[in-house]
Amino acid sequence: GDSVTQMEGPVTLSEEAFLTINCTYTATGYPSLFWYVQYPGEGLQLLLKATKADDKGSNKGFEATYRKETTSFHLEKGSVQVSDSAVYFCALSRGGRRALTFGSGTRLQVQP
Amino acid sequence: ETGVTQTPRHLVMGMTNKKSLKCEQHLGHNAMYWYKQSAKKPLELMFVYNFKEQTENNSVPSRFSPECPNSSHLFLHLHTLQPEDSALYLCASSQDTGGGTDSPLHFGNGTRLTVT
Repeated sequence: GDSVTQMEGPVTLSEEAFLTINCTYTATGYPSLFWYVQYPGEGLQLLLKATKADDKGSNKGFEATYRKETTSFHLEKGSVQVSDSAVYFCALSRGGRRALTFGSGTRLQVQP
Repeated sequence: ETGVTQTPRHLVMGMTNKKSLKCEQHLGHNAMYWYKQSAKKPLELMFVYNFKEQTENNSVPSRFSPECPNSSHLFLHLHTLQPEDSALYLCASSQDTGGGTDSPLHFGNGTRLTVT
């Protein structure tokens, strides 16, 4: 079945540091890939998405590139802020199936 | 307003109690979902409803009973739960466009359930 694997957290960085959160997936066909973010006390929000190989999704300074050859969708940001502290979830969607398959989430803590 | 509202925010119940979680969406969506979020585990899909009809039950134990009276409301009825059922239960909705790429999920803030 489909699965998403994320690096375990927490990831602790200082403000303005470079961020990478790894995500790899297993799925048949050509899934769409997503990153969702969950701020403390809130539900998940869509951060960015990519629908085909080599697509780059971007939003709020975050980027992720759909790499089919390595089945990866790593999240990056050049300079993190304290306000980026949250849990980040990688997810995939296969074709017309509306329900997403999520990873276990990676907690990011940014210190001033 | 988040668009998806869940009540209550916190719930503590004994194993013999019966309680219900409520979800309401104000986005005009036609698909609604229940997810379970446990520490250090992937978000687990529980149920999917599309136009009030259940389209997916992810092998959820019968002590969890969903109800979707209309496209805007979704309930999760709980009875004889176990301590391992303690988790954050998230409701989500999406527009029914036939595909996941143009129809992102909108989540509520969740209900934190503790079973004692």
